[in-house]
Amino acid sequence: KAGVTQTPRYLIKTRGQQVTLSCSPISGHRSVSWYQQTPGQGLQFLFEYFSETQRNKGNFPGRFSGRQFSNSRSEMNVSTLELGDSALYLCASSLEQGKETQYFGPGTRLLVL
Amino acid sequence: QKEVEQDPGPLSVPEGAIVSLNCTYSNSAFQYFMWYRQYSRKGPELLMYTYSSGNKEDGRFTAQVDKSSKYISLFIRDSQPSDSATYLCAMPHTGGFKTIFGAGTRLFVKA
Repeated sequence: KAGVTQTPRYLIKTRGQQVTLSCSPISGHRSVSWYQQTPGQGLQFLFEYFSETQRNKGNFPGRFSGRQFSNSRSEMNVSTLELGDSALYLCASSLEQGKETQYFGPGTRLLVL
Repeated sequence: QKEVEQDPGPLSVPEGAIVSLNCTYSNSAFQYFMWYRQYSRKGPELLMYTYSSGNKEDGRFTAQVDKSSKYISLFIRDSQPSDSATYLCAMPHTGGFKTIFGAGTRLFVKA
């Protein structure tokens, strides 16, 4: 069974631009969570989607948004990029909402110049 | 105070050593504990998980939970250079709606 895939793997943007990241969960998994990982803050929860609805949200500004499609694929959008948004963005999928075992994708490394 | 505390290291050990990685947590509602391993430029992969206090063994890895002290450990026996990675402890909130991760400990195993 294929794992979680994320595209693109690497991205360079400039301040003020916006970016969209994509995540395809493991087949059959209906819950997708997004995390931001930085050396200083570690892994921080952004939001979780289940059945096309955002079920939980972390402490990030409204510039960070996401959505989930009927096939469980998910996208994350960051608008008005700031230098501090440079990070590894990880997507994780699980079978159902609230299932503790999450499987992570390889991440998208975003660099904001 | 962070809900989960983990020493970021780095921790450097010789090949064959026993490695002890630890996390403390403050929320007594945490019931489920996980350890992830993350290689450089990769996403975290689930190593072990446990619900209860006590020990759980899987090959060279042993996860230990002490709920009374709010302290969890991961032991790696006969460590190998391929074990060099960052190890993160993780605990889901009630219902698993949000998982809290430790900062991660960078481990280097020298041949």
